[in-house]
Amino acid sequence: AQTVTQSQPEMSVQEAETVTLSCTYDTSESDYYLFWYKQPPSRQMILVIRQEAYKQQNATENRFSVNFQKAAKSFSLKISDSQLGDAAMYFCAYRNYGGSQGNLIFGKGTKLSVKP
Amino acid sequence: GAGVSQSPSNKVTEKGKDVELRCDPISGHTALYWYRQSLGQGLEFLIYFQGNSAPDKSGLPSDRFSAERTGGSVSTLTIQRTQQEDSAVYLCASRLGPSYEQYFGPGTRLTVT
Repeated sequence: AQTVTQSQPEMSVQEAETVTLSCTYDTSESDYYLFWYKQPPSRQMILVIRQEAYKQQNATENRFSVNFQKAAKSFSLKISDSQLGDAAMYFCAYRNYGGSQGNLIFGKGTKLSVKP
Repeated sequence: GAGVSQSPSNKVTEKGKDVELRCDPISGHTALYWYRQSLGQGLEFLIYFQGNSAPDKSGLPSDRFSAERTGGSVSTLTIQRTQQEDSAVYLCASRLGPSYEQYFGPGTRLTVT
């Protein structure tokens, strides 16, 4: 069974600085998706970034980028120029590539605080 | 367009009562998921619907939990004889197709007293 581990329950960053959230996962599959979701206090899960395992290039979305190390099964999220609105819970998630079910497997989350 | 909506936003119920939670997916999305988010267990998959196929119930924690999806659209998650350990946020998500993202609703916070 696949598992996702986020080893940092809480992180803090100064506004405008850069922070990296860690995620490792375990799978025997070679093709899969990885995601970072943001959950603010409103509870709405918002997709931040997505990575297909077959792509070697790391995904980027504006201030958000990932460091995907397939061999190490590591998928960290870097947030540059942190803003107050980035404060939230961040969840790393895994999904198998093949088949139609595609339920997400989540890590426990990292609570990010942004200091003004 | 409208996103995934869930109702009620919050629900407080007494132990032993039945509750129904509703999810309205994004129009046209054929796949629908229910997840449970609790302090102790994190985010757990509960059940998956795809079109008119039989649902995948492999994540349901007990036979007190059931769900249905009518007309391939609205879904209802029912918890019978609620227990305090059922207290959690119940999240619904929908997806257009296999290679597409899941879009989440705002969740229903269930508190069992």
